[in-house]
Amino acid sequence: DTAVSQTPKYLVTQMGNDKSIKCEQNLGHDTMYWYKQDSKKFLKIMFSYNNKELIINETVPNRFSPKSPDKAHLNLHINSLELGDSAVYFCASRFQGSWEQFFGPGTRLTVL
Amino acid sequence: DQQVKQNSPSLSVQEGRISILNCDYTNSMFDYFLWYKKYPAEGPTFLISISSIKDKNEDGRFTVFLNKSAKHLSLHIVPSQPGDSAVYFCAASARAGNNRKLIWGLGTSLAVNP
Repeated sequence: DTAVSQTPKYLVTQMGNDKSIKCEQNLGHDTMYWYKQDSKKFLKIMFSYNNKELIINETVPNRFSPKSPDKAHLNLHINSLELGDSAVYFCASRFQGSWEQFFGPGTRLTVL
Repeated sequence: DQQVKQNSPSLSVQEGRISILNCDYTNSMFDYFLWYKKYPAEGPTFLISISSIKDKNEDGRFTVFLNKSAKHLSLHIVPSQPGDSAVYFCAASARAGNNRKLIWGLGTSLAVNP
């Protein structure tokens, strides 16, 4: 059973489109994250949710909107996609009292 | 401003020898450090961690050393195996309000040659 899963694994789309990436964890964790890994391999946190509540919101364009329908899911919706949004997006989760984050396999987004 | 730095983008080691991956940080508020390993097309997976109150943590072939005065930590893998070939990320944890945030280095790509 996959602990943290993301769909889709690959996403190729045109500039200006709106797309969503989904994340689900079956670990019973209460905190979930979205990270962006750009072409320079820099892994940067975008958002963090704890029990469906937004905790961390880094400097991210408001075209990016996370949604957490429940503790096990954290989806990322991106409006008006731009070339610079091309990256690998990782979802992660953890228990609030633990240090270790568990990562999903990543979604490679390519904007043409 | 990168608070966690891994200055060696790549490292090549012979099988059976020791691999030493280095990490430097600038923020003295970091109180927990983690190493993650990442294979291509997969997410990072947790490897080993160390609290700032310790200077060494060992788990099998993996040992992490922390030098707080130098703001430096290192991951030792001995003996190195071809399956250890991956990108290794150093991450440091600091409290951000009621949450914990991980600040990541850029990673070091380790190649263990048979």
